[in-house]
Amino acid sequence: GDSVTQMEGPVTLSEEAFLTINCTYTATGYPSLFWYVQYPGEGLQLLLKATKADDKGSNKGFEATYRKETTSFHLEKGSVQVSDSAVYFCALRGPTSGGSYIPTFGRGTSLIVHP
Amino acid sequence: DAGVTQSPTHLIKTRGQQVTLRCSPKSGHDTVSWYQQALGQGPQFIFQYYEEEERQRGNFPDRFSGHQFPNYSSELNVNALLLGDSALYLCASSWGWTGYEQYFGPGTRLTVT
Repeated sequence: GDSVTQMEGPVTLSEEAFLTINCTYTATGYPSLFWYVQYPGEGLQLLLKATKADDKGSNKGFEATYRKETTSFHLEKGSVQVSDSAVYFCALRGPTSGGSYIPTFGRGTSLIVHP
Repeated sequence: DAGVTQSPTHLIKTRGQQVTLRCSPKSGHDTVSWYQQALGQGPQFIFQYYEEEERQRGNFPDRFSGHQFPNYSSELNVNALLLGDSALYLCASSWGWTGYEQYFGPGTRLTVT
């Protein structure tokens, strides 16, 4: 079945450092890819998305490019802020070759940014 | 514009009991999905409701059931609670059952003792 693998956390950075959180996926069909962010005590918020190969999603300084050849969707930000501290989830959603739209999430990567 | 709302915020139940969680979708949305998020894990898809019918279901036992009302709000019912059902239950809404942009509620924290 479909799966999403994220790098283990926590990722600890100083303010203004460069961020990369790796995400790779296994899926049939032509899924859409997403990054969500979850702040403490809250639900998930959609951060960015890409619906086909080579698409780049971007929002609030975060970017990720849908790489079909490497089945990856790594999250990057050039300069992180303390307020970016949260848990980040990579996810995919169909359609799979079987016509399913059931979403699959990674386990999440915790980001801690120090002043 | 109200986002996705869930009730209650927290709930404590005993093994074997039954629980009902509620969700109101974002205005303009007609599809509701439910997820279980165990501590330190990503959300696991339980099922999705569209036009008052269950459209898709993840790998969860029949103890988990749901309902969608004509106003698009939804309930998640869990029977015969197990300790392992302790988790954050998230509701997400979208427009159309294949709509990929989902908006999540803050969740209901269920503790089973």
